[in-house]
Amino acid sequence: SAVISQKPSRDICQRGTSLTIQCQVDSQVTMMFWYRQQPGQSLTLIATANQGSEATYESGFVIDKFPISRPNLTFSTLTVSNMSPEDSSIYLCSVKGQGNQPQHFGDGTRLSIL
Amino acid sequence: TQLLEQSPQFLSIQEGENLTVYCNSSSVFSSLQWYRQEPGEGPVLLVTVVTGGEVKKLKRLTFQFGDARKDSSLHITAAQPGDTGLYLCAGAGGTSYGKLTFGQGTILTVHP
Repeated sequence: SAVISQKPSRDICQRGTSLTIQCQVDSQVTMMFWYRQQPGQSLTLIATANQGSEATYESGFVIDKFPISRPNLTFSTLTVSNMSPEDSSIYLCSVKGQGNQPQHFGDGTRLSIL
Repeated sequence: TQLLEQSPQFLSIQEGENLTVYCNSSSVFSSLQWYRQEPGEGPVLLVTVVTGGEVKKLKRLTFQFGDARKDSSLHITAAQPGDTGLYLCAGAGGTSYGKLTFGQGTILTVHP
């Protein structure tokens, strides 16, 4: 399966600031996704990162808060904007090939906002 | 909206015991994945089941996909402390192309 590198692995940020998380894959993939997860809980999909066009956001998530880029088939970024303590979470990227190929996940970014 | 009900939410057992985790839905999925996640890491794919009635074995782990492709189970035989982690089922297909519908997760703790 693809090797997925996510950076940073963790960060502690001040409220009101923004952080950009990077996701790099070692091979071209069809789809890339961004998730949020509270420790010990399931995953919530934030958006689908579309190559060359605007991301598709799930209900409850908006572009102004979570701008996403996907300039090519191997790279995507998620920015968490104007952070508040409620944004403290684990942010994960995942990738998927064509057809019935499963999703594979990066190791996540553990974000704490003070 | 597709939902996947996963149970139990928590399991705390002794080494050597058997256990089963269930995922149920009213929706049909084209495939279903099981993941295991350890603290500080992302979910790692254990198996994908595609065909209704399919049974897959991975050492002490047995995965089953329901005949109607609406439910799945994970059975672990003779659990070991190394099996400890968060187990997640996720269904693919239906009206949400490419996206996964996740269950709530099962936190398994196996005590030595």
